[in-house]
Amino acid sequence: GQNIDQPTEMTATEGAIVQINCTYQTSGFNGLFWYQQHAGEAPTFLSYNVLDGLEEKGRFSSFLSRSKGYSYLLLKELQMKDSASYLCAVPADRGSTLGRLYFGRGTQLTVWP
Amino acid sequence: GAVVSQHPSWVICKSGTSVKIECRSLDFQATTMFWYRQFPKQSLMLMATSNEGSKATYEQGVEKDKFLINHASLTLSTLTVTSAHPEDSSFYICSPLAQGSYNEQFFGPGTRLTVL
Repeated sequence: GQNIDQPTEMTATEGAIVQINCTYQTSGFNGLFWYQQHAGEAPTFLSYNVLDGLEEKGRFSSFLSRSKGYSYLLLKELQMKDSASYLCAVPADRGSTLGRLYFGRGTQLTVWP
Repeated sequence: GAVVSQHPSWVICKSGTSVKIECRSLDFQATTMFWYRQFPKQSLMLMATSNEGSKATYEQGVEKDKFLINHASLTLSTLTVTSAHPEDSSFYICSPLAQGSYNEQFFGPGTRLTVL
């Protein structure tokens, strides 16, 4: 089965950098997703990592270490609008990459002015 | 990105009634549709998977007779919550998957269901 662990809440100030960690256990690794979800809205895709290393995409970067079962999402130059829940997700089974996703409980990030 | 719509965006109903939620992929064809639900302060939980023209596959613990899924076309899927009860109050989100998608999955805007 799948298991994901991420912190429940984090706070940071505008302009700062924050790192949201995610550890996972899967029966067969097939990539890891990060999503952003504002309250009352659907998740929006941020990143997908399948190989080890850091992938940068603007202010957001995502890192993966398959041997450690570990990923993090790095948010730079924080803005107020980045206040949201950040969800770590893995495919629910080894046979697929998309669709049947198993989500962590999310990390609620609050950005203060 | 892909455009996905859900209707209604929110609904309040009495206990015992049935509620139908529509999910449409507006600019692509969805060969597969996933339905998720999210309880307050919880993460998304997959409910079922459906392929166009086929019966849905339900996740363990999800009652197939209570949550009826119809995926009649490549652009429309519906989820009907039958005989809704207060414990069914949740945020229901569809996620259509386009054929050939590699690493990006889109979600509908969600439907907030409140059962009184």
